[in-house]
Amino acid sequence: GEDVEQSLFLSVREGDSSVINCTYTDSSSTYLYWYKQEPGAGLQLLTYIFSNMDMKQDQRLTVLLNKKDKHLSLRIADTQTGDSAIYFCATGAAGNKLTFGGGTRVLVKP
Amino acid sequence: TAGITQAPTSQILAAGRSMTLRCTQDMRHNAMYWYRQDLGLGLRLIHYSNTAGTTGKGEVPDGYSVSRANTDDFPLTSASAVPSQTSVYFCASSDSTSGGDEQFFGPGTRLTVL
Repeated sequence: GEDVEQSLFLSVREGDSSVINCTYTDSSSTYLYWYKQEPGAGLQLLTYIFSNMDMKQDQRLTVLLNKKDKHLSLRIADTQTGDSAIYFCATGAAGNKLTFGGGTRVLVKP
Repeated sequence: TAGITQAPTSQILAAGRSMTLRCTQDMRHNAMYWYRQDLGLGLRLIHYSNTAGTTGKGEVPDGYSVSRANTDDFPLTSASAVPSQTSVYFCASSDSTSGGDEQFFGPGTRLTVL
C-alpha cells in the first residue's frame, strides 16, 4: 500500500520561511494534500495539488510537487506564531480515501 | 451550522467493555470516514461509508464496526475494547467520493482503554 513519510519536527523563527517536506510511494496518487492540526483540534485542509501540476501558490503557501522523485513540499512564507501546529501530508486514492504521513510539528519561535 | 460533531470529547473505559463513539454531520455529505490518530503514525482510516446504507473497511478495521443508517450519523463501535484501541479518533465527511473533494474533520474523541 501507499507509504507517506514526513520529518517529525521543524523549528523556525518568526518571519522566516518554513519548508515542510513529504515523500510518498504510490505514483498513481492523483491528489496530494496538506492539512493543518492545531492543538486539541481536528484537521483543516490548507491546500491541495493535482498530480499533473508542479506548483501551486495560495497567499503565503506554496506547494511544490516533484513527481519523478515522489516528493511534495509546503513552503510557508513569513511564518507567524499562529502557524505553529502539526502539518500532515496526505495522498488521495480512489474513492477519496486518504493516506496520511505521520505529521511534522512546526514550532515558530518569536 | 455545526459541521461535524463528535461525542464524547473523551472517554476512559475498562478493557472488555463496549464503546460507541458518535459522529453527526449537518452538511448532508454523502461520504463519512473514521480515522484514528496515533503519535508518529498520522491518521489511519478505520472504516468509511460512501453513502447511507453502505460501509467499507479501511486500513485498520479490526476490532471496530460501523453503521450508516442515515446520511447524518456514523457511529463507531467496539464490542470489547482493548488497550491498543487507546487513541484519538476523528470523524470526517466529504460531499462526494471524487478525488480532491475536501474532507471536513470533527474535533476528535480521546479514548483511553485501561
